[in-house]
Order: sequence, then structure tokens, then C-alpha cells
Amino acid sequence: GAGVSQTPSNKVTEKGKYVELRCDPISGHTALYWYRQSLGQGPEFLIYFQGTGAADDSGLPNDRFFAVRPEGSVSTLKIQRTERGDSAVYLCASSLGPANNEQFFGPGTRLTVL
Amino acid sequence: AQSVTQLDSHVSVSEGTPVLLRCNYSSSYSPSLFWYVQHPNKGLQLLLKYTSAATLVKGINGFEAEFKKSETSFHLTKPSAHMSDAAEYFCVVSPSGSARQLTFGSGTQLTVLP
Repeated sequence: GAGVSQTPSNKVTEKGKYVELRCDPISGHTALYWYRQSLGQGPEFLIYFQGTGAADDSGLPNDRFFAVRPEGSVSTLKIQRTERGDSAVYLCASSLGPANNEQFFGPGTRLTVL
Repeated sequence: AQSVTQLDSHVSVSEGTPVLLRCNYSSSYSPSLFWYVQHPNKGLQLLLKYTSAATLVKGINGFEAEFKKSETSFHLTKPSAHMSDAAEYFCVVSPSGSARQLTFGSGTQLTVLP
């Protein structure tokens, strides 16, 4: 079956602009996660959705970052007033549900802020 | 709280020789432990996982890892390296039995020499 997909694969923007990154989880997976991977580092947790609600957003670095999952499937990560330090690969993962912590990752979106 | 320390940022082996990638963890509860692999320009792939069953875990591509609670370690091994094993490897911890954020180590870059 289809895995986790993310669009776009690459995004180049200018400092101060707004960007949206999209994630399509595996069908039937109720849990969805966003991570950020900076160059040379391991992924860092941003936010976790169970269904439509954000169950844990403790990893969002500041209020410029926001994510939604209105219908419990596709999720969008939104970044306002982008800064050069936001440049990273943004990874999305999904898992079956609350009792299953095996996460399946998408290929990521590489965001470059000029 | 939970954390992971990967003791080597780079490991270099010759093809056909054993691989050892070291990982120590810290967790205030019974953890689940994972090893993920990331090939260049590809998504994270799960190699193996430990979830409190057998302490010796076998994964894909001939990799295995042993959970040692007394040493708080979860080292990854393979008897004979193959050129295709060259990649970045991440040791990961999460709370056992629940869909929660993964905490990644900083990664070990494995180079396989011909």
C-alpha cells in the first residue's frame, strides 16, 4: 500500500514569507507526527495529532509554527514569517493509533529560507 | 524524560567485517527502543524495534540489537557489512506501548570501505 507522502519535496522561500507543508498519512492511521531535522542532526519532535486534535504540541518552537488536521487525515504544517533558522527537512510520520508506537515516515520536505 | 546518546558520530568498517553502532538511553519509564536507517535522499526506514519482549531483537538486512537494562544500552550489530549498509543510523526511544513522540539520537554515519 501507499506510504506517507509529503508535498512539496522542496520549498525555497524568502525570509518573512508564509509557507505550508502538507502530509498525507497512511490510510487508517489515526496518529500523525511532525518532526524537524536540521543538517547533521537527528529529527526533533514538533507536534502529535490523535485524530483531529493536537494531543501534544510541546515541540513547536514558537507561535510562528502551527499545524492542523481538520478531518483526521491530511495535515498541514504552517510557518509564518519564516526565518533563515527555519531551514531544515520537515518530516511527517503516522502510526496506527494510541497503543502502537511504530511510526512510518514520509520522505520529508526540504525547506530553504533565503 | 527520555534521551538517547549515540556514542560515535562516524563509524568506518571494511566490507565483510562486523558492524557495531553504540547507543545508550535514559528513560524514566519502561521504554520502547528502535533503530532507524536513513539513506541519502530517502526517508527513514525502521530497522528493528524492542518493546519488552525478547531482549535480542532481529531486524531487516541482517541487523540485530540487544537490550541490556543493566547497562542502559541498545547497541546495533551486523556480522558482515555490505556496501549497501552505508547510511546514517539513528537510535530512538519512546514510552512503551503508546503513540508518543520519538526521541532521536544525533545519528551515526556508517561508511563501508571496499
